[in-house]
Amino acid sequence: GQQVMQIPQYQHVQEGEDFTTYCNSSTTLSNIQWYKQRPGGHPVFLIQLVKSGEVKKQKRLTFQFGEAKKNSSLHITATQTTDVGTYFCVISGSARQLTFGSGTQLTVLP
Amino acid sequence: DTAVSQTPKYLVTQMGNDKSIKCEQNLGHDTMYWYKQDSKKFLKIMFSYNNKELIINETVPNRFSPKSPDKAHLNLHINSLELGDSAVYFCASTKGQGNTEAFFGQGTRLTVV
Repeated sequence: GQQVMQIPQYQHVQEGEDFTTYCNSSTTLSNIQWYKQRPGGHPVFLIQLVKSGEVKKQKRLTFQFGEAKKNSSLHITATQTTDVGTYFCVISGSARQLTFGSGTQLTVLP
Repeated sequence: DTAVSQTPKYLVTQMGNDKSIKCEQNLGHDTMYWYKQDSKKFLKIMFSYNNKELIINETVPNRFSPKSPDKAHLNLHINSLELGDSAVYFCASTKGQGNTEAFFGQGTRLTVV
C-alpha cells in the first residue's frame, strides 16, 4: 500500500519559536489530512488538503500541499505550550485505508 | 454525547487470556476502523469495516478478530494475549471510505502481564 514518510520524529522548541513537520510520498496523493494527538489523548482531525499547491491557515497553523501532490507540511508560528502533542499526516490509500505517517512529537519548553 | 466511544479505557490482563474491546459510533458513519498505537506513537491500521463487510485486513495475527453486529459497532476480540499485544488500541469511523475526516475513540490501553 501507499506509504508516507514524516520528519522529524521529535522536535523540541522553546515557546515562541516556530515549528514545521514534513510529509513525503513517492506517489501522487489524492489528498492529505493532518491530525493532532495530545499526550494521553486520541488523534483529532485538523484539516484536509486536496488541491495542488493548496495553502490553508488555522490561526497560527499553516498547512501546505505540494504542487506535485507528493508532499505536505504543517507550520506552527510562535509555538505555545498548548501546541504540545504528536502531529500526524494521513493519506488515503488505494484500498481506501487511512495510512498514518510516523508522526512528529512536539515538545514546547516554557 | 461522545461520537465514538470505546470501552474499557484501561485493560490489564494476563498472558493467554481472551479479551474484547467494544466500540460504538453514533455518527451514522459507514466505515469503522481499529488502529494499534505502539510506544513510539506509530499508528498502524488493523481492520476496517464498511457496511458490515471487512474491506481491509492488514497482516495482523489471526488471534485478533473484528466483530461488527451492526453498522454502529465494531468490536475487537483478542485470543491468547501475548506481551507484545500491549499497546493503545483506537477505534475510529468515517462517513466515506477513507477520504473524509476520521473520528477517533478515546483509546483502550491494553497491558498484558
